[in-house]
Amino acid sequence: QVQLVQSGSELKKPGASVRVSCEASGYTFTDYAVNWVRQAPGQGLEWMGWIDTNTGNPTYGQGFTGRFVFSLDTSVSTAYLRISSLKAEDTAVYYCALGMFDYWGQGTLVTVSS
Amino acid sequence: DIVMTQTPLSSLVTLGQSASISCKSSQSLVHSDGNTYLSWIQQRPGQPPRLLISKISKRVSGVPDRFSGSGAGTDFTLKISRVEAEDVGIYYCMQATHLGTFGPGTKLEI
Repeated sequence: QVQLVQSGSELKKPGASVRVSCEASGYTFTDYAVNWVRQAPGQGLEWMGWIDTNTGNPTYGQGFTGRFVFSLDTSVSTAYLRISSLKAEDTAVYYCALGMFDYWGQGTLVTVSS
Repeated sequence: DIVMTQTPLSSLVTLGQSASISCKSSQSLVHSDGNTYLSWIQQRPGQPPRLLISKISKRVSGVPDRFSGSGAGTDFTLKISRVEAEDVGIYYCMQATHLGTFGPGTKLEI
């Protein structure tokens, strides 16, 4: 069955970087794009963008350019989200979601605090 | 950018009754390929989101037929018939025709 397993929670200081992974299984990795979605504490869902798993070409949503980078390692069926120059407002749960949001990872909590 | 609005933002329903959520987009969601990429997503308390309905009205496998989607263009509706306790959560509409945008969410309480 299709599964998206994300890396564990992270606690980072402001200015640091973090990488969140999303390991896929149960299907051919390059058959579907991977989306990234942010959910700040107590807030709604926010689409961050997606990455084409065939070409590696990322598309970033408004507000997610510059510090946010999507990447892939197709050899291990894994997508990555890297956030640099972390700010307190980056504290959120980050989800990966497959294709047209058919499957979701369990989420990764990133906490940014000094 | 597309703006998605939902009404109501909160809904208190009685078990066994129906609930309806409206979703409106600031532009038509009809894609150049002829599809309308409007989905409904459920998030139960403490859980990751889950896709319920795609392309306006296509229920995902395993989703009860109590959930139905309708609409066209810019106006869409999610109807939940015979509400059950397990339906408590937040419901988001989401468009993927023009990049991606989520609605603000509607909190369903019983």
